[in-house]
Amino acid sequence: GAVVSQHPSWVICKSGTSVKIECRSLDFQATTMFWYRQFPKQSLMLMATSNEGSKATYEQGVEKDKFLINHASLTLSTLTVTSAHPEDSSFYICIPGGSYGYTFGSGTRLTVV
Amino acid sequence: QKEVEQNSGPLSVPEGAIASLNCTYSDRGSQSFFWYRQYSGKSPELIMSIYSNGDKEDGRFTAQLNKASQYVSLLIRDSQPSDSATYLCAVGPAAGNKLTFGGGTRVLVKP
Repeated sequence: GAVVSQHPSWVICKSGTSVKIECRSLDFQATTMFWYRQFPKQSLMLMATSNEGSKATYEQGVEKDKFLINHASLTLSTLTVTSAHPEDSSFYICIPGGSYGYTFGSGTRLTVV
Repeated sequence: QKEVEQNSGPLSVPEGAIASLNCTYSDRGSQSFFWYRQYSGKSPELIMSIYSNGDKEDGRFTAQLNKASQYVSLLIRDSQPSDSATYLCAVGPAAGNKLTFGGGTRVLVKP
């Protein structure tokens, strides 16, 4: 079945620095990638949708200049958290479009100190 | 207003018993319905998907969908301690499109 590799699995960074999270589809082409985040004891909330070769669409309340999304190829989508702050600490998960709910990235635990 | 609602629990179930989880959704146009199990610190893993009204069984798990009532449920038979996790209900407009998740129900299976 479809496999998505998400890296890193965890990262600790200092406030004000940037962190890049990668989701790579290994055996299929993902024209769309959904990026979610999950705060402790809460559910997954959609942040943005990346589209191969075009601009990402962001959900209401998500700052596009803070969460930079790039989907330059059919196999790679990246989320960069810029100028990270402690309130950005969360679990970030990618879900490829077209995976029919079956495939999730393994998640990235971001801790900003 | 939340689009997908679940009881947060915890739902405490004796080992070997049946755990019953419920989920309601607000969008009548929803076409795809999923149940996921999530262990602490891990990404969710798919348990069941259901697209048509009625029951769907897979091993110890049974999903039930009632589109008229906008209700989907999950039954876990012969609950095991390893079933202790948070169960997420997710709803989508169509297969392949973005999912909306419920808040999750925490299940504790006691030996």
